[in-house]
Amino acid sequence: DADVTQTPRNRITKTGKRIMLECSQTKGHDRMYWYRQDPGLGLRLIYYSFDVKDINKGEISDGYSVSRQAQAKFSLSLESAIPNQTALYFCATSDWTRIYGYTFGSGTRLTVV
Amino acid sequence: TQLLEQSPQFLSIQEGENLTVYCNSSSVFSSLQWYRQEPGEGPVLLVTVVTGGEVKKLKRLTFQFGDARKDSSLHITAAQTGDTGLYLCAGALSGGSNYKLTFGKGTLLTVNP
Repeated sequence: DADVTQTPRNRITKTGKRIMLECSQTKGHDRMYWYRQDPGLGLRLIYYSFDVKDINKGEISDGYSVSRQAQAKFSLSLESAIPNQTALYFCATSDWTRIYGYTFGSGTRLTVV
Repeated sequence: TQLLEQSPQFLSIQEGENLTVYCNSSSVFSSLQWYRQEPGEGPVLLVTVVTGGEVKKLKRLTFQFGDARKDSSLHITAAQTGDTGLYLCAGALSGGSNYKLTFGKGTLLTVNP
């Protein structure tokens, strides 16, 4: 099994629908992150969590919410999906030391029509 | 304004050639990381550099962190088709949170047979 698992891998949804992307990890890391990746814009941070009770907004949090249900689970919700939220979404984890970097999931390709 | 500028944005070379890609900033970083991302997958950490002037080698890849910790380079010797991918640099700002990385937009490398 992968260290960081994202579900679903692909999703097509309609404008206005609520959708949840899920992330689970077996790394035992405290820190978890949600990024979106768009061509020409790179990876942008949506939300991050340093532990179950500590959730922080990233640079592009509008239109998104998150839930840290347990140390190993971090879900991202789009409250009312819009077409410009079409993107590749990545979950990542890290531990307390910067040396080992981030471990990324394989991503969710979301299309809002 | 992009905190980390990567150049070139695109690079297409023949197998066996050498290449260098760059990651530059006007800010000082406490550490800098390089990732490689293949289509349909999340970024995978290649290396972390933490000391100004540091050089690290990973087989045919050589990574250097600038003396002032504002820039980094990745040199690939005798490129192979398996080196094809998106190369991302990411940094933790000096004096900021070491666990919240800022990513460059990446260099898309294509190595042709």
